[in-house]
Amino acid sequence: SQQGEEDPQALSIQEGENATMNCSYKTSINNLQWYRQNSGRGLVHLILIRSNEREKHSGRLRVTLDTSKKSSSLLITASRAADTASYFCATDERREEYGNKLVFGAGTILRVKS
Amino acid sequence: KAGVTQTPRYLIKTRGQQVTLSCSPISGHRSVSWYQQTPGQGLQFLFEYFSETQRNKGNFPGRFSGRQFSNSRSEMNVSTLELGDSALYLCASSLAVGTRSYEQYFGPGTRLTVT
Repeated sequence: SQQGEEDPQALSIQEGENATMNCSYKTSINNLQWYRQNSGRGLVHLILIRSNEREKHSGRLRVTLDTSKKSSSLLITASRAADTASYFCATDERREEYGNKLVFGAGTILRVKS
Repeated sequence: KAGVTQTPRYLIKTRGQQVTLSCSPISGHRSVSWYQQTPGQGLQFLFEYFSETQRNKGNFPGRFSGRQFSNSRSEMNVSTLELGDSALYLCASSLAVGTRSYEQYFGPGTRLTVT
């Protein structure tokens, strides 16, 4: 089962514009991660934000986390055609067991037009 | 460092057969996780192995199994294949230090088609 919802399901913008994707989840988490996937290939890790962090930056990416609302957003600034991909949020739910067990959202398909 | 490698990249099998997929993690990564990706169900966690032991498990039937070797390489096996097992199977490796979880590095996937 999937942890949460991503919004929007698809987004089409012009090169140079900003793209914002939102993710909501249902349970308490250790961290939330964002991944990118190009055309059904492997996923590329973009950024990890821990539950005690509110905002994180990496290059043109900005991620926010609001644990009270159980939501996160990914902002890509000054988008490029190469940013065209599917973007997934994934949560590491708080649980007794150690280790990795990510629960992915359904993803947002981003298309950047040049 | 070399990335995560998965073999084979593409596979076509018939219903009822079994299949074994292989994954070599990034050097130094001791945690290997497997995910199934389908258009209908999205990305779903299958299981995670660490130090040759299954540490976490998703909600898949017993036909799906895996193992990890002493060099951290991992295999997953699907027995008695069904049409619904057609999917992209992704392997991911990760550092595993203490109780914290870390970002995962994914391989290119194995595209399995069951006919």
